[in-house]
Amino acid sequence: EIVLTQSPGTLSLSPGERATLSCRASQSVSSTYLAWYQQKPGQAPRLLIYGASTRATGIPDRFSGSGSGTDFTLTVSRLEPEDFAVYYCHQYGNSPLTFGQGTKVEIK
Amino acid sequence: QVQLVQSGAEVKNPGASVKVSCKTSGYTFTTYAMHWVRQAPGQRPEWMGWINPGNHNTEYSQKVQGRVTFTTDTSATTAYLELSSLRSEDTAVYYCVRDSGRDWLLESWGRGTPVTVSS
Repeated sequence: EIVLTQSPGTLSLSPGERATLSCRASQSVSSTYLAWYQQKPGQAPRLLIYGASTRATGIPDRFSGSGSGTDFTLTVSRLEPEDFAVYYCHQYGNSPLTFGQGTKVEIK
Repeated sequence: QVQLVQSGAEVKNPGASVKVSCKTSGYTFTTYAMHWVRQAPGQRPEWMGWINPGNHNTEYSQKVQGRVTFTTDTSATTAYLELSSLRSEDTAVYYCVRDSGRDWLLESWGRGTPVTVSS
């Protein structure tokens, strides 16, 4: 099983600031099969990025993904009020599919 | 557009079974695999497995294998999850999720069905 570890656990930032979230895998993940989700309280996860760097339909360009192998990054260039949420990385290339433990982006 | 409408919240006693439904619309039901993901309170999502509605092939995670069954009703374009021998650790929100059709990308999510296991 591929274990995904996210850091930091919590990120305290102000609107307009840049957010950088990390995801490290216990073994190499094909870039084709790494995704990022955003989740707000009481809602289902929302797909932001797939294939490590491709934005899903309707996702603003302030969200970007990068990385390869075992190290991946989600960047939000300028935080908007609606971006404060929990973010999960997810690998979908190997069974069982797995998720990171999440990074909470909170308002400072 | 793709819609996945799940059944309502459930409260069950330990040892009982629960069956959650996921009514789909907006796409060809047999062309895309349906995955089930659950999320316990304050925890990361946990993938439970998938079913191919076209041929009824299934794969279950080791954690729930033996207690979980995925089925589909093609005429009703509905997927079902049944989980038996419920324990308190099964308390979670259960999501049906359609994949991309090309790979296992979890693309379209239902709103979730809360299941509470408590005596």
